[in-house]
Amino acid sequence: QKEVEQDPGPLSVPEGAIVSLNCTYSNSAFQYFMWYRQYSRKGPELLMYTYSSGNKEDGRFTAQVDKSSKYISLFIRDSQPSDSATYLCAMVPSGGYQKVTFGIGTKLQVIP
Amino acid sequence: GAGVSQSPRYKVTKRGQDVALRCDPISGHVSLYWYRQALGQGPEFLTYFNYEAQQDKSGLPNDRFSAERPEGSISTLTIQRTEQRDSAMYRCASSLIRGGENTQYFGPGTRLTVL
Repeated sequence: QKEVEQDPGPLSVPEGAIVSLNCTYSNSAFQYFMWYRQYSRKGPELLMYTYSSGNKEDGRFTAQVDKSSKYISLFIRDSQPSDSATYLCAMVPSGGYQKVTFGIGTKLQVIP
Repeated sequence: GAGVSQSPRYKVTKRGQDVALRCDPISGHVSLYWYRQALGQGPEFLTYFNYEAQQDKSGLPNDRFSAERPEGSISTLTIQRTEQRDSAMYRCASSLIRGGENTQYFGPGTRLTVL
C-alpha cells in the first residue's frame, strides 16, 4: 500500500463547476499538507499549504484536512479552463522534516 | 531573480554511459531537493541538501546515483553506468527555509532518455 493514495483521473468538468480533489494517506505522522498544480511539461507549483486539521481558503481554492480520517481535499470553485492541469497532493511529517511524499496526481480538464 | 534552472533540459545517452544533471537553485535558498518523476506519476524523492550538507539520500535507488552540492548552491546529480530504467524526468527544487512551511520551487526538469 502506498503512503499516499490519489485517483489519477482524468476528471472532466464544465466551466464554472465546483471541483473536488482528494487524497488519502496511511502515515499518521504526516502533519503538513500541500497541493501542487502541474501544467503539462512544467514543474509543480505550490497552490495551498496547510498544517494539521481544518480548512484554508485562498480565492477560489479551499483546502481541507481531516486527520482523523487521514483524508485531504482541494475544492476549486467556479472552475476555469486555465485550471486544467494535474493536481498533486503532498505531505510531510512534523516540522523540520523535509522529505516530501507526493500523490500520483489527478489530471483535471475544465471544458469551456 | 530567476527561478530554479536545470541543465541540460534533454539528455539522450546510451546504456552504460555516465550522466551529470545540473541544478541551479534560486539565489539564497538554503535547501535543494532532487526528485524523479515518471510519466503519469508524482515526483519521487531522491535526496536533499541543506547548504552543502546532504541530509537525506534514502530515495537514491542504488549506488549508481550520487549527488553533491559542494558550495551550497549549484548541485549535480550523477548517474553512473546508466540503464534504460533510469529514463525519467529528473526535477530539482529549492526552498528558502528548513522545515515548517517550506515552499519548494521546482525547476523545469531534465528529461533523461537512456537508449
